[in-house]
Amino acid sequence: DQQVKQNSPSLSVQEGRISILNCDYTNSMFDYFLWYKKYPAEGPTFLISISSIKDKNEDGRFTVFLNKSAKHLSLHIVPSQPGDSAVYFCAATETGTASKLTFGTGTRLQVTL
Amino acid sequence: DTAVSQTPKYLVTQMGNDKSIKCEQNLGHDTMYWYKQDSKKFLKIMFSYNNKELIINETVPNRFSPKSPDKAHLNLHINSLELGDSAVYFCASSQKPGVGNTIYFGEGSWLTVV
Repeated sequence: DQQVKQNSPSLSVQEGRISILNCDYTNSMFDYFLWYKKYPAEGPTFLISISSIKDKNEDGRFTVFLNKSAKHLSLHIVPSQPGDSAVYFCAATETGTASKLTFGTGTRLQVTL
Repeated sequence: DTAVSQTPKYLVTQMGNDKSIKCEQNLGHDTMYWYKQDSKKFLKIMFSYNNKELIINETVPNRFSPKSPDKAHLNLHINSLELGDSAVYFCASSQKPGVGNTIYFGEGSWLTVV
């Protein structure tokens, strides 16, 4: 039972343009959402998070949007840079579960010159 | 200086063997985790310890036994290895358990069982 889904396994975007990565979840108990970035042969690194009491959180070039009614979140990267090329994992958790993260399967972003 | 370090990075071993993966964090965190990424790229939690006490134990075969000698270390021992145990195992840590505590991951240990 996949509770966090990233339906696009890959995405290619030109440098300077906007990258939009999408994530859907099914568990209505999730109330905290995160995005992690992963380079090959490295561990995931935390990028940005959002609580369910908000619908938007911004950190520099990265913005996460949360639509609770649709159980959907998205990560916007503007402008995209070649160094952003990586696999992006969406993750969700529920308050009281001791940071038990449920991950999506990732979207590979390729930023081209 | 690596914050969460795990050894070995690569391990190839035969079915039936027993192996251990070691993890250490120098961040002063109270909470440590083991995650497994399988061939389908699913990254799933296996265990979590807080101050050396087990707080998360997912449905994992009891051939897998975590051990936390102190807050900075969480080792994973696997008995009677099976082909299906081939995966990447990630150690991680956070300041405390719970929402809002960023989880920092190690680089992963690639286990191949032949």
